[in-house]
Amino acid sequence: KQEVTQIPAALSVPEGENLVLNCSFTDSAIYNLQWFRQDPGKGLTSLLLIQSSQREQTSGRLNASLDKSSGRSTLYIAASQPGDSATYLCAVRPYSGTYKYIFGTGTRLKVLA
Amino acid sequence: NAGVTQTPKFQVLKTGQSMTLQCAQDMNHNSMYWYRQDPGMGLRLIYYSASEGTTDKGEVPNGYNVSRLNKREFSLRLESAAPSQTSVYFCASRDQGEGGAFFGQGTRLTVV
Repeated sequence: KQEVTQIPAALSVPEGENLVLNCSFTDSAIYNLQWFRQDPGKGLTSLLLIQSSQREQTSGRLNASLDKSSGRSTLYIAASQPGDSATYLCAVRPYSGTYKYIFGTGTRLKVLA
Repeated sequence: NAGVTQTPKFQVLKTGQSMTLQCAQDMNHNSMYWYRQDPGMGLRLIYYSASEGTTDKGEVPNGYNVSRLNKREFSLRLESAAPSQTSVYFCASRDQGEGGAFFGQGTRLTVV
């Protein structure tokens, strides 16, 4: 059974710091992995989608990598800002049950001004 | 673009009452999903619909029913609400192939 883990559960950093959020999954048989941002009381906003054949995706200050063989993805945020404070979720879409997404429980990020 | 729209945004129910959560997407996506989000448990799949006319159970389907009314709309019904169904409910949609998922803003449901 596919399981997705995000460590740490919470993180506080000073403004301007570069940081890495981690996502690990137990079964490498996935179609893709998606990173989301969730602000308090809000829905999920898609940040980056990495297909199984890709190694990384970039959008602005965000860079996501995928290593299927080790079951890991990282979300790199450069020059963090207070506006980056949110919960970051990763989700994998496994080969089995191809229409489903399996979510991690998220990393709650706080960037201090 | 509206994307995925959920109604209502907030709802308080008494135990035993019924209600339907509505979801509509305007992206012509084939697949639609209902998730619930609870503290410490992440998002769990309730039901999904791979295409118009089909629905399947997810991880936590008990106490819920769904209807894929047409390609745009996917509703979630609570027949007899229980306090354990207090949660935030999210609807999502995805195109076929390798596309990613898009989520609505959520419905915050409290059952007292």
